[in-house]
Amino acid sequence: AQKVTQAQTEISVVEKEDVTLDCVYETRDTTYYLFWYKQPPSGELVFLIRRNSFDEQNEISGRYSWNFQKSTSSFNFTITASQVVDSAVYFCALSEALDTDKLIFGTGTRLQVFP
Amino acid sequence: ETGVTQTPRHLVMGMTNKKSLKCEQHLGHNAMYWYKQSAKKPLELMFVYNFKEQTENNSVPSRFSPECPNSSHLFLHLHTLQPEDSALYLCASSPRQASGNTIYFGEGSWLTVV
Repeated sequence: AQKVTQAQTEISVVEKEDVTLDCVYETRDTTYYLFWYKQPPSGELVFLIRRNSFDEQNEISGRYSWNFQKSTSSFNFTITASQVVDSAVYFCALSEALDTDKLIFGTGTRLQVFP
Repeated sequence: ETGVTQTPRHLVMGMTNKKSLKCEQHLGHNAMYWYKQSAKKPLELMFVYNFKEQTENNSVPSRFSPECPNSSHLFLHLHTLQPEDSALYLCASSPRQASGNTIYFGEGSWLTVV
């Protein structure tokens, strides 16, 4: 069965702190895709990254970085030097190769960045 | 401006009303989706359309009726809803590439059933 776990319900940090959002997944497929989405208060789910299961390279995009480790079934997301605009709910999600239409979401982590 | 637009953004309806949510995607994608986001529950897939054909109905009650007239437009017709149907309804689209499928979401329609 597929499952995505985001154990951190809410995280609060002060601006300029680094913060890591954890994501652990379960799947029996050998080919799968992992995602992170950001949901600001407006409601829109903003796509941040997609990672394929056969590509374990870590990725950096500006202040954002992602650490994919198949050995621990984790796909963690780090924001460096956080800003108030980073305040949002962040969702990790999984889809499997045989059903890429179906995103399995975690319950989300609410990040609050205080000035 | 988002590539997936939804209207209305907010809707309040009574349990006996009939209303519709509208979604339009400007990304040239082939697939469109409805997702439901309730308080304290994970996002749930409701319906999937590929090239206007419904390919998935995730055990959604018949009081929700989707319509996809073409690859760019998707509707969700609502009738005799219950208060527990109050939620954020998110429309999405994707190009359905064989090498992995990235789904892009709209801003959502906040629905309150009274």
